[in-house]
This record gives sequence, structure tokens and C-alpha cells, in this order.
Amino acid sequence: DADVTQTPRNRITKTGKRIMLECSQTKGHDRMYWYRQDPGLGLRLIYYSFDVKDINKGEISDGYSVSRQAQAKFSLSLESAIPNQTALYFCATSDAQATSYNEQFFGPGTRLTVL
Amino acid sequence: AQSVAQPEDQVNVAEGNPLTVKCTYSVSGNPYLFWYVQYPNRGLQFLLKYITGDNLVKGSYGFEAEFNKSQTSFHLKKPSALVSDSALYFCAVRGNSGYSTLTFGKGTMLLVSP
Repeated sequence: DADVTQTPRNRITKTGKRIMLECSQTKGHDRMYWYRQDPGLGLRLIYYSFDVKDINKGEISDGYSVSRQAQAKFSLSLESAIPNQTALYFCATSDAQATSYNEQFFGPGTRLTVL
Repeated sequence: AQSVAQPEDQVNVAEGNPLTVKCTYSVSGNPYLFWYVQYPNRGLQFLLKYITGDNLVKGSYGFEAEFNKSQTSFHLKKPSALVSDSALYFCAVRGNSGYSTLTFGKGTMLLVSP
């Protein structure tokens, strides 16, 4: 969905490096999410934010941190990257309005490789 | 805790034949159910959802899904498959609380042969 953008699209880094993945959206949604996708494991939720002042851990938050700089921006950081954090990372957004039933809109993904 | 099972890693079907991609779920209370599709090197795209009402839900690209409460299933179907339907399909569930998040299945690769 072009309304949700992620940078960078591809990144190769080394073990121990700090890295930040950024997500921006123009959909005006309050809620934002970070997922990682691994082959055979589907999508797993890392962190989510229901508004600018709300940050929540997901299923697999260890080794990650996030920052919600504004309604439209949600960044994911790996403080000290390790090889098993090699994955495809997705940002998603959803509308807080009840009528949307939390349908989520996804960015194009960031492919991260940790050597 | 809520969960989704997609029992098939891969489904193979010939073009023009009907297709079914299976999904079963577990959640407290009434479920909200979703199907997403992922094409190569792309993000996930929403296909359809079940919230309430008619058990047969119609979505994008000719896909439909049937909600079966007694079997806790939400199988994705299409009457006539196209080669361009080949992609990775994800089923997802959330509870009916406004603060629920989505839980995804592991995905099923659909391969449609010419």
C-alpha cells in the first residue's frame, strides 16, 4: 500500500551494530504495528502503538525497541543486531474507529540481513 | 490466547479448477477473521474479512470465504483459479475487544499451474 512507506527497503549490517527501520503513513491512522516475517513462521508482532503516547510489546519484543515520533511515524530499532534477527520486517497501520474492525494496511517491507 | 492454524504449507491447483485454502482459529468470544495475500517482494494486501452476518463473505479478485462457527474454520475459496492467484495467503484472527491485535497463521503458498 503506497500510503505506508518503509525505509530502507533492504539493509545488510553486521552483528553488534545498531540499526533503525522507519515507517511513515499518510492514512491518518492512529494505530501502528511492527511485524517480522520468517519462512514457515508467518508474521509475528514485535511492537504496537495505539496512539502517540501508547507503546505495547508484542509477541517477540526482546532485542527490539520502538519510538512513535508522531501519529504518522513509527520507528523500530535493533540496539545490537544479531544474525537471528535476519528477516523481513513489515510496518502496518489501522484505524481506531470501531467500524474498521482493525483491518490493517501494510508497508512494502524491509529486508534485513545481519551478518 | 488466540491462534490460527493453516494446516497446508502449499496448495497446488490447475488453472480453471476451484481452490480452497484452509484456516482454523481459536479465540475468546466472537472472532473477527481476515484473509491477506502476499505477492513476491510485496507487502500484505487485504482480501476479505468476516465480522458478523452472512457466513459467506465475498472479497477482492473473486475470492470468498466461509465462516463456520461450529468447526471454528474460515476457509478461503475461489470457483476458478488463475495462474496470477499464485501467492502466499495468510489467515488472521482477533477478538472483538477494541484493543485486540491480529494473530496470523503461518501462511499457505498457493501454486496455480497453467
